[in-house]
Amino acid sequence: QLRLQESGPGLVKPSETLSLTCTVSGDSITSSTFYWGWTRQSPANGLEWIGSFYYRGSTYYNPSLESRLTISVDASKNQFSLKLTSLTATDTAVYFCARGERVAAVDDWGQGTLVTVSS
Amino acid sequence: QTVVTQEPSLTVSPGGTVTLTCGFNTGIVTHSHYPNWFQQKPGQPPRALIYSSSNRHSSTPVRFSGALLGGKAALTLSDVQPEDEAEYYCLLYYGGGYVFGAGTKVTVL
Repeated sequence: QLRLQESGPGLVKPSETLSLTCTVSGDSITSSTFYWGWTRQSPANGLEWIGSFYYRGSTYYNPSLESRLTISVDASKNQFSLKLTSLTATDTAVYFCARGERVAAVDDWGQGTLVTVSS
Repeated sequence: QTVVTQEPSLTVSPGGTVTLTCGFNTGIVTHSHYPNWFQQKPGQPPRALIYSSSNRHSSTPVRFSGALLGGKAALTLSDVQPEDEAEYYCLLYYGGGYVFGAGTKVTVL
């Protein structure tokens, strides 16, 4: 049974870098035919697609976040990660990792982790 | 700026039918925008219902159906059940990425 678990700091200071990890169990990122990705949700901005990747293929980023965003994979741990730089209060959100059969990677979701950007 | 539009709220009676729409403020929605629909209840992640305009996921009840209607993506809920009360979001491919609508709150009353 697939399980996606987000982890990371709950509080980050403005201008700093956010690092989040998604730990996958019940499927293998490297051998799967699925896409993997991140979406966030905040009261101010609603749901926002962040980006996704296919292990043996490309990585896709939201154009509005691309300059600050990196999505990477740690195959040995069956995890993937998000790095978002130059944080501001508008980056405060619940961050979800997810898996999907198509590029958007939005079929199966983790429970999400709340990140607050504040000094 | 292109915005994905959804009705803010709709009310439906149990057993009734309601149609939610998802459009662009600047143009029409086509199959090339790969419309997806999601249901979200408080404290839960979104649950995928429909992909590529009209395809149900394996766990999606048949009373949920998707289509393109009048230049918009549409989600129809038939024989509405009390547990269908939730927020519904659409997702469209646009401008090199994916964009969610602001959501429709469906109340079953």
